[in-house]
Amino acid sequence: DTGVSQDPRHKITKRGQNVTFRCDPISEHNRLYWYRQTLGQGPEFLTYFQNEAQLEKSRLLSDRFSAERPKGSFSTLEIQRTEQGDSAMYLCASSWDGGEKLFFGSGTQLSVL
Amino acid sequence: AQKVTQAQTEISVVEKEDVTLDCVYETRDTTYYLFWYKQPPSGELVFLIRRNSFDEQNEISGRYSWNFQKSTSSFNFTITASQVVDSAVYFCALSEAWAGANSKLTFGKGITLSVRP
Repeated sequence: DTGVSQDPRHKITKRGQNVTFRCDPISEHNRLYWYRQTLGQGPEFLTYFQNEAQLEKSRLLSDRFSAERPKGSFSTLEIQRTEQGDSAMYLCASSWDGGEKLFFGSGTQLSVL
Repeated sequence: AQKVTQAQTEISVVEKEDVTLDCVYETRDTTYYLFWYKQPPSGELVFLIRRNSFDEQNEISGRYSWNFQKSTSSFNFTITASQVVDSAVYFCALSEAWAGANSKLTFGKGITLSVRP
């Protein structure tokens, strides 16, 4: 059990650029979640997958955001035409369907200049 | 809509003191789950406890204890004999049961706990 890993740990980009983050969940877990956390706030739910199906998307997730989990294993989160307001820590978590808890990764810190 | 309020933002205590972290929640659901997570300086959130809305029994795990009171919509967390390693941000969270306990958590803003030696 190597835990949830996220790549990259830090990303600095210029406004208007596209960025993509990757999350590798714990291998036996069929659920994968994306959250966003800004300074001084709790994590905010963005979306989650059960296997490869995206079951729910938050209204926070504008059409510039897209997430995929093509084979039910790793997931990518892409932000197109980044804005300064997108600067945040993007957290990935995984769990079993019906599991008691989420296992979080260390996050990807995005800074949009 | 669901909401979790953690009115305390920062708490500082001296080692070995007891400390209680407050959590008040709002939901229209009759079946829901409550959680506490810890976020140490390393940044990775760590699960501490999950409670469902039908189980109001208090829970104790070592130095940690939780008090769930539906009448006041509160789920408070007490650390007894605090240690420096308890320094972290603590989040209370709520989820709707109908979609599965972990389907979508609503987090509070967190409480930063500093334990001084």
